[in-house]
Formats: sequence, structure tokens, C-alpha cells
Amino acid sequence: EVQLVESGGGLVQPGGSLRLSCTASGFTFSNYEMNWVRQAPGKGLEWVSLIGIGGSYIYYAESVKGRFTISRDNANNSLYLQMSSLRAEDTAVYYCARGADCTGGSCYSTYFDYWGQGTLVTVSS
Amino acid sequence: SYVLTQPPSVSVAPGQTARITCEGSNIGSESVHWYHQKPGQAPVLVVYDDSDRPSGIPERFSGSKSGNTAILTISRVEAGDEADYYCQVWDSSSDHWVFGGGTKLTVL
Repeated sequence: EVQLVESGGGLVQPGGSLRLSCTASGFTFSNYEMNWVRQAPGKGLEWVSLIGIGGSYIYYAESVKGRFTISRDNANNSLYLQMSSLRAEDTAVYYCARGADCTGGSCYSTYFDYWGQGTLVTVSS
Repeated sequence: SYVLTQPPSVSVAPGQTARITCEGSNIGSESVHWYHQKPGQAPVLVVYDDSDRPSGIPERFSGSKSGNTAILTISRVEAGDEADYYCQVWDSSSDHWVFGGGTKLTVL
């Protein structure tokens, strides 16, 4: 069974930092692109970042570029999001989501078929 | 930046058909994916690649496209279908994933 479990959320002051983790199980983690998606309270979904299977390509939403860093540890089936210079508008539930299957070097199934339960990040003084 | 436009809300009576639209300037050439999200839960994929359904999603859910508009159709709507629905595409010009603003489906 595919599972994604986020952790690391919490209350942080504006300007502070936080590191989110997502632990994957039930599939070959190293074969899949991974994503972070967030949802501010009462708002819609906002894609945050994508990382390729070996970290060879990384993309960020403009709203977080230069402040957030996505990374992965394929040996430990883990995805990370290092967040710095946090702002009130970064307050959201952060989800990790499985993306494209890149087994064999070509990526397909480019949609988010599994999501974690989310972890809440609150930026407030 | 690429924008996907959805109606904020759609209401339908049980047993009727709900249609949720997603408009984007280049949507005709992109694969569209749809998710539903119930309160307090993570999103769930309901249609991928415009019109395919993941296993476990009822046949009542279908997707289509016409010009610059993608459509999620839910036939024989049930109370349990009440949720927020989001469309999604990959914007290859910016290498960004884009979500629509979401549509709240209310079952009357």
C-alpha cells in the first residue's frame, strides 16, 4: 500500500525557518517525481515545488522561489522542504504528492495519484 | 502565468448530472487532471489525462475537453459527491504545475 506521511509542521515566527519531511512507503520512491502542494486556510490548492527522481531537476512556484528548498533522500525514501524567511502568507497545510513515474528513464503518468494527509504550518508572532 | 478558471460553485439535485468546467488558454494541448477534496481530507485524483479514471473511481465520473475548456461530468450525483473539485495542468512554458481555483459542488 502506497503511503506518504508528512511531518515537521508547527508554529513559527515570521522570518523563521522550518523543515518539512515526507516519508514514503509501498512503492519504489526513487522512480517517482515528488511534489509539495499547499493549501492556505479556506483557500484552494497551490503547487509549491517538484523534484525529479535523482534531484536533477527542480522547479518552484514563484511565491516560494529563493526561500524554499526541496530535496530528497532516495536511500531513506524521504522528501524534504526546507522553508526559510517564512511569511504569514505561507500559513497552510502542506501536502506531499507522488508525481510522474520515471521508471526506465522516461516519465509518464504525470499526475498526483497519491497524497499525504498534510502537515500544518502556521506563521505567526 | 498560466491561469485555470473554474466556477466557484455548482449546485445539483441528487440523481442529476453535474458539470464542472475548467478554462485555460492552452488547455486543448495539455493533459488535464481532476481532483476532489472533502473537508479535512487530502485531495483525491478522480480523472487523469483528460478522461481516464483511476481504479476505484466510479464510472459516474468522466472528463472531456472542448476547445479551451475541460469538463468534469458527474452523473447520477450522490450526496457523497459533495466536495471541492480542482483541475490541474502542467504549464510547459514555465515548468510549473497549475491548479484551478476550485469548484464547490453542493448536492441540494
